[in-house]
Order: sequence, then structure tokens, then C-alpha cells
Amino acid sequence: SQQGEEDPQALSIQEGENATMNCSYKTSINNLQWYRQNSGRGLVHLILIRSNEREKHSGRLRVTLDTSKKSSSLLITASRAADTASYFCATFVDSSYKLIFGSGTRLLVRP
Amino acid sequence: KAGVTQTPRYLIKTRGQQVTLSCSPISGHRSVSWYQQTPGQGLQFLFEYFSETQRNKGNFPGRFSGRQFSNSRSEMNVSTLELGDSALYLCASSLEGMGRSEAFFGQGTRLTVV
Repeated sequence: SQQGEEDPQALSIQEGENATMNCSYKTSINNLQWYRQNSGRGLVHLILIRSNEREKHSGRLRVTLDTSKKSSSLLITASRAADTASYFCATFVDSSYKLIFGSGTRLLVRP
Repeated sequence: KAGVTQTPRYLIKTRGQQVTLSCSPISGHRSVSWYQQTPGQGLQFLFEYFSETQRNKGNFPGRFSGRQFSNSRSEMNVSTLELGDSALYLCASSLEGMGRSEAFFGQGTRLTVV
């Protein structure tokens, strides 16, 4: 079963615009991570936010975490065509030795 | 530094056959995890190995099995293949285990069962 549900399922924006994706999960977590997947290939780790953190930045990426609402958001600023991909959130519970992935958001950035 | 290598990249098998997929982790990584990705179910956890020990297993039938060797390379096996086993199988390696340290994914093996 999937812990995370992502919203929206698909998003289409113009190059230069910002893209926001949301993730909700069900149980308490140790950390939450975001991954990118290009067209059915392997996943690439983007950013990790721990349960005691509220916001984290990495380049054009901004992630927030609200543990009281069990939700996270990923913001990509000034999007580029190369950002076109599927984005997944993944939650980690200590001693589970696994990440549980959300359903993903397909992002299309139009040139 | 070489990334995670999965072989083969593509595979076509017939129902009832068995298949073995291979994953070579990044040098020095002792944790290897396997995931199945399908359009309907998304990314589903199969199992995780650390230093040849299986630490966790997902909710898959016994036809799915795996192992890890002393050099950290891992294999997964699916016996008596069913049409529903068609999927992208992804392997990930990490130093201490997914979640505890950054995970690096291979390009996957796309299995088609006909």
C-alpha cells in the first residue's frame, strides 16, 4: 500500500513559471524525501527533510513539511523544459528499512 | 564513481517461466533495495538487504525472492511468471539503508511477460 498521495496527479506549466506539488501521508515519519524520475528510468534523489525541520532549500527547490497535517510540498521555481519528469515523495519510518513512495505528480514544462 | 548497474535492461519472458535480475550497487554501499513499478500500483517495495541479510520484505507472494552476495551485489528471482509481473524493476543502493542515507537508483530492468 502507498503511504503518500500526491496532488495534482499531473501539472502542465510554461517555462519560467513555478510548479508546486503536494504530498500527504498517513503515519508518523522520521523523514520525507523527494525524487524525480525521467520517462520510466531510475529515480534521482532531490532533497530530504527531517521530521523536526519545517523548510529546506536546494537550488531552485523548496520543500516544506507540516507534521501536524502530515503533508509536504515541493516548489520548483523558474521551471525549465528539463524539469519535465515525474516527481515522487517518499516517507521513511525508522527501523523499517524502506521508503514508501507516493503516487507521483507528472510535470510537463512547455518551452 | 560508477553508479548502480542493473542487468539486463530489457527482458521478455513467457508465462510460467522464471527470471533472475541482477543489481550491482555503488562501491562501498552495503544496502540494496528492490522496487516494482507499474502504472496501476506505482512503486512497491519488494525487499531490502544489508550485508547479505534481508531486513525487510514487502507484501509480495513467495514467487518473488532475492539474495545478496558478500560483494553486495544482489539478485532477485521471480518464478512461475504471471502477466501481472510485467513491470519496471528498480534497484537502489545506499550506505546504511534507504531513508537513513541517500539512495541511488539504477536505470531499472523492464520485464515484459507474454
